[in-house]
Amino acid sequence: DAGVIQSPRHEVTEMGQEVTLRCKPISGHDYLFWYRQTMMRGLELLIYFNNNVPIDDSGMPEDRFSAKMPNASFSTLKIQPSEPRDSAVYFCASSSEGTGGTGELFFGEGSRLTVL
Amino acid sequence: AQRVTQPEKLLSVFKGAPVELKCNYSYSGSPELFWYVQYSRQRLQLLLRHISRESIKGFTADLNKGETSFHLKKPFAQEEDSAMYYCALILTGRRALTFGSGTRLQVQP
Repeated sequence: DAGVIQSPRHEVTEMGQEVTLRCKPISGHDYLFWYRQTMMRGLELLIYFNNNVPIDDSGMPEDRFSAKMPNASFSTLKIQPSEPRDSAVYFCASSSEGTGGTGELFFGEGSRLTVL
Repeated sequence: AQRVTQPEKLLSVFKGAPVELKCNYSYSGSPELFWYVQYSRQRLQLLLRHISRESIKGFTADLNKGETSFHLKKPFAQEEDSAMYYCALILTGRRALTFGSGTRLQVQP
């Protein structure tokens, strides 16, 4: 398994543009998480899904952010319109109810977003 | 709300010196605590969890409920230990981790 796959790895865009980040979790994992990493705030949970259903989106900053998981092998995080303060590394992670036990998340390599 | 505090952004030690990365948490219940590590150009990955009471790569961490701490320790640091370390907790019945802000460990030769 190639692990959690995220795309794009790097995105540079201008303020006001729409940004879509994509994630493919590890096959068989039933939990998917989106985190944002910044120098000031570290790793913050944005939202997580269980069996494609959003469980907790309390970390989503505002209405400009939305996340979907249309099926077990794909999720998107969309920012519309983007702002410079959204610049960060966005991580996707997945885990399974079974193997690994509670608390072991498998992370992707991250998508580095720069909004000019 | 639960919170994880890592007071040091950067910890620099020499090879062979002892290492202690500090982590304190605030939560009224009984959380599970973890240490995650991110080596250069690698993914963030689980290093160890308190319920396992194991030593991984020479690192140990003991949960001190009285001091609400979960410090990561290693008696003799190696250069390959240089990385970003995150302390994290998970609440009973939940699946999402709450992370601290991270500590960068630099082990100098």
